[in-house]
Amino acid sequence: EAEVAQSPRYKITEKSQAVAFWCDPISGHATLYWYRQILGQGPELLVQFQDESVVDDSQLPKDRFSAERLKGVDSTLKIQPAELGDSAMYLCASSPDRDRGEKLFFGSGTQLSVL
Amino acid sequence: KQEVTQIPAALSVPEGENLVLNCSFTDSAIYNLQWFRQDPGKGLTSLLLIQSSQREQTSGRLNASLDKSSGRSTLYIAASQPGDSATYLCAVRPTTGTASKLTFGTGTRLQVTL
Repeated sequence: EAEVAQSPRYKITEKSQAVAFWCDPISGHATLYWYRQILGQGPELLVQFQDESVVDDSQLPKDRFSAERLKGVDSTLKIQPAELGDSAMYLCASSPDRDRGEKLFFGSGTQLSVL
Repeated sequence: KQEVTQIPAALSVPEGENLVLNCSFTDSAIYNLQWFRQDPGKGLTSLLLIQSSQREQTSGRLNASLDKSSGRSTLYIAASQPGDSATYLCAVRPTTGTASKLTFGTGTRLQVTL
């Protein structure tokens, strides 16, 4: 069964360092999402791509976070510099078609700890 | 702004018991609602998707209902098993604005004991 792939699985970094997360969505899925989930809370959308275009990045802290999906397939989320409050699970999800409200398929996430 | 609430926050039941998890939302103008399961330290798995025009969806021992007018959904788990232990989250998709932006609840952490 096709899955959303994410790496690394865990990342420990020091404050002010740069970190990057990678996501490969299910083949053929046009829409890709990055979510952040703080322990004990539901996921919150950081950025949404439709193919290679950003559809919604209203909740992305653009002074330190950036995301790209250059060829409309895999995607990278970067944080520079990392802050203590960035410690969270970063989840990538994909769906076949944004406008039809299809199910979301999530990856296993990257657990980030900022020391 | 849509707000999604899940009660209870945590629940412990003995194996074999039937149980109901609750989800409420403040804006009834939704496109659909999804129930997800999340195991500790893992991503989310979609369990059931209910369109706004539907009243319920069933998959195996799971049954989800939707009452849009009252802003409520329930997830019914029949004959619970220890393998059902996980956090269950509901999420709603709005009909207007950024159509794909899901709003999640904070989840119900379920433990099924032997």
